[in-house]
Amino acid sequence: DVKVTQSSRYLVKRTGEKVFLECVQDMDHENMFWYRQDPGLGLRLIYFSYDVKMKEKGDIPEGYSVSREKKERFSLILESASTNQTSMYLCASSFSQRRNEKLFFGSGTQLSVL
Amino acid sequence: DQQVKQNSPSLSVQEGRISILNCDYTNSMFDYFLWYKKYPAEGPTFLISISSIKDKNEDGRFTVFLNKSAKHLSLHIVPSQPGDSAVYFCAASRRDSSYKLIFGSGTRLLVRP
Repeated sequence: DVKVTQSSRYLVKRTGEKVFLECVQDMDHENMFWYRQDPGLGLRLIYFSYDVKMKEKGDIPEGYSVSREKKERFSLILESASTNQTSMYLCASSFSQRRNEKLFFGSGTQLSVL
Repeated sequence: DQQVKQNSPSLSVQEGRISILNCDYTNSMFDYFLWYKKYPAEGPTFLISISSIKDKNEDGRFTVFLNKSAKHLSLHIVPSQPGDSAVYFCAASRRDSSYKLIFGSGTRLLVRP
């Protein structure tokens, strides 16, 4: 089974802190994604990476950056955390960009910014 | 402006009965649709999908129906089981950006024993 592991289940940070959310997948997937899930808004794509050192902005990239130095690891960075970034963050991966390719999600990181 | 809408935040159904979860979309460029299921403290998992060239896709107890003219899809679960209690997200993608899924806000299904 594919495993997507997010380093923290819960995080509490202060406004202005730099925050790193880490994600590792163990199935040699090409694509990795960061989503945030908010009540009433569903899952929204923050950033996407289709290869090492490659990244593309999703729908809501403002206030975030990403890093993919190795194929299995995709990091989401909040340069200066703000209260409106309090959310559930979900990492996902997929093998290819074919239409029927499933996304495999991690369990999520609930981030609270105080 | 949400392009994929799930207007029912919650649904409660008796075990053994049919569950029908609905999803509407506004973008006519969407041509591939998926349903994901999410249990508490877990990430979403893929459930079933349908291409716009079809109007129905079935997988065991789960059937997805697509009405392109109405820009509407629905997920039917028959018979519903308590283990089906979860949040269900519908998602859509476009041919020109196939990696990018647009998700709805989710519907919480409770199947009562």
